[in-house]
Amino acid sequence: GQQVMQIPQYQHVQEGEDFTTYCNSSTTLSNIQWYKQRPGGHPVFLIQLVKSGEVKKQKRLTFQFGEAKKNSSLHITATQTTDVGTYFCAVTGANSKLTFGKGITLSVRP
Amino acid sequence: DAGVTQSPTHLIKTRGQQVTLRCSPKSGHDTVSWYQQALGQGPQFIFQYYEEEERQRGNFPDRFSGHQFPNYSSELNVNALLLGDSALYLCASSLGWTAHDTQYFGPGTRLTVL
Repeated sequence: GQQVMQIPQYQHVQEGEDFTTYCNSSTTLSNIQWYKQRPGGHPVFLIQLVKSGEVKKQKRLTFQFGEAKKNSSLHITATQTTDVGTYFCAVTGANSKLTFGKGITLSVRP
Repeated sequence: DAGVTQSPTHLIKTRGQQVTLRCSPKSGHDTVSWYQQALGQGPQFIFQYYEEEERQRGNFPDRFSGHQFPNYSSELNVNALLLGDSALYLCASSLGWTAHDTQYFGPGTRLTVL
């Protein structure tokens, strides 16, 4: 089945800095979803990308799907302490079974 | 409009015991999927239910079984618990089971096996 990789697993930034993380696959993906999980919480759906080269924005978050549909990025502009959590990318197969990456845990120093 | 609810919130069991976890989907949703999330890992797909049938299954042993009721709620049963079954068990619901149907996760049940 399709797999996605997220490296590194942890990143620390100073509040106000920008943050970018990537999700990579060796195969072409039909779509990619991003989730955020706060400490002690559950995954919350952020966005789904379907088209090659697609870019979607949510306030300070920008999501992009690669032209070859083998990678995706999440960029956060001017991080805030509320951005703390683990960000997962996930891909769906022929139906809605989600395969998650290991996630990247973001910590923000105030 | 209630979101996905799960019960119980926390559970402690001993090896060899059996456990049942419950999930009520978001209002209007008909598909329920179950995931296991070990500490520091991403959720792993266990199985999915639609129209009271198991539609697909991940790489989990037969000790893991489930059920969906006519009101779309679902149960996850785990028999002969092992220490390695300790994890956060997440239920996700969606309207439909195609690749583009957004899944909404519940708060999870934290299972500890001693």
